[in-house]
This record gives sequence, structure tokens and C-alpha cells, in this order.
Amino acid sequence: GDSVTQMEGPVTLSEEAFLTINCTYTATGYPSLFWYVQYPGEGLQLLLKATKADDKGSNKGFEATYRKETTSFHLEKGSVQVSDSAVYFCALKDSNYQLIWGAGTKLIIKP
Amino acid sequence: NAGVTQTPKFQVLKTGQSMTLQCAQDMNHNSMYWYRQDPGMGLRLIYYSASEGTTDKGEVPNGYNVSRLNKREFSLRLESAAPSQTSVYFCASFNGGGYGYTFGSGTRLTVV
Repeated sequence: GDSVTQMEGPVTLSEEAFLTINCTYTATGYPSLFWYVQYPGEGLQLLLKATKADDKGSNKGFEATYRKETTSFHLEKGSVQVSDSAVYFCALKDSNYQLIWGAGTKLIIKP
Repeated sequence: NAGVTQTPKFQVLKTGQSMTLQCAQDMNHNSMYWYRQDPGMGLRLIYYSASEGTTDKGEVPNGYNVSRLNKREFSLRLESAAPSQTSVYFCASFNGGGYGYTFGSGTRLTVV
């Protein structure tokens, strides 16, 4: 079945560092891909999405490109801030419109 | 504000007690979901409802029941709570388009 694998955390960076959180997927067909963010004590919020190959989703300085050839959707940000500290989830939408989730990656940004 | 509303936000139960978690959405979404979130295990689907009048089991349905009362409301019931059900529970809804899910803010449940 479909699955999503993302890098284990926590990922700890200093403020203004470059961020990459890896996400790869296994799926039949061409699923839509998502990154969600969960700030402490809150629910999940959609961060960005991409619906087809080579699409780039972007929001709040974060970017991710749908790479069909490598089945990846890595999350990147050029300069992280303390306020980016959160848990990030990669997900794909399967043919039944269910979201298949990665395990989440906790990001800690130190000032 | 439009969105998904969950109640209560916090609850402590004794083993064997029952309770119902409430979820309502005002976005006219067809699909609704209940997840639990445990440390290191991401989100696990308990039950979902693809449309009003239908419900289906997810990955971890044992010990839970659901009711899709109408298009807006989707409740989760624990008939006899167990410590293994200590978790954070999230409700979500989905419009079936190219967008993702909209989540509630969660219910933190502790069973002692």
C-alpha cells in the first residue's frame, strides 16, 4: 500500500540556518502531496501542497518540489526562525481521498 | 470563524468510564475523520465518514465507536476507557478537492 517516510527527528538548528526535512513516498499513480505543521499545543495546519510532478508548493518561506523520478517531496527553508519550531508532517492523498501520513519530524530552532 | 470545533479540549477519565468526543465543522465538507496522536507514532486513523450516513474503520478502531449525526457533526465514543486510550484526539474534515484536511485543535484525553 501507499506509504510516506520522513526523516526522524528531532532536528535541531540555529536561527538563520538552512533547513531540509526529507520526505519520500510510495504510491500507485500520482498522488497529491502535502506538508502540514503542528505548533505546540495546537492542531495540524496545511503548510503547502503540490498536486502533480514538478509542482512547487510554497508558503511562509517554505518550499517543496514534487519529484516523481525520486518519489520525494523534501521541505526546505533558506533561513529558519525560532518561531518555526514545530512538528512537520509529510502526507499524500491516495486514490480513496485518504491522507497517508509520515511519522512527523520535530524541528527545534535555537536562538 | 469557519473551521472544525472539538469539545472538550481536556478530559481525565477513570478506567471503565465512557465518554463522547464531539466534532463539528461548518465548511459543508462531506468527509470527516478521527485520528489519535501518540508520541513517536504520528497520526493514526480511528474512523472516518466519507459522507453523511456512512462510517468506516480506520487503522485503529478497537475500543471506539462513531456517529455521523448529520453533515456537520461526527462524534467519537469510548464505551469503556482504558489507559491505552490516553492520547490526543484530532477531528478533521475534507472537501474532496485538491486541498488537504482541516483539523480541529484536539482533545487531550488521559485515562487513569
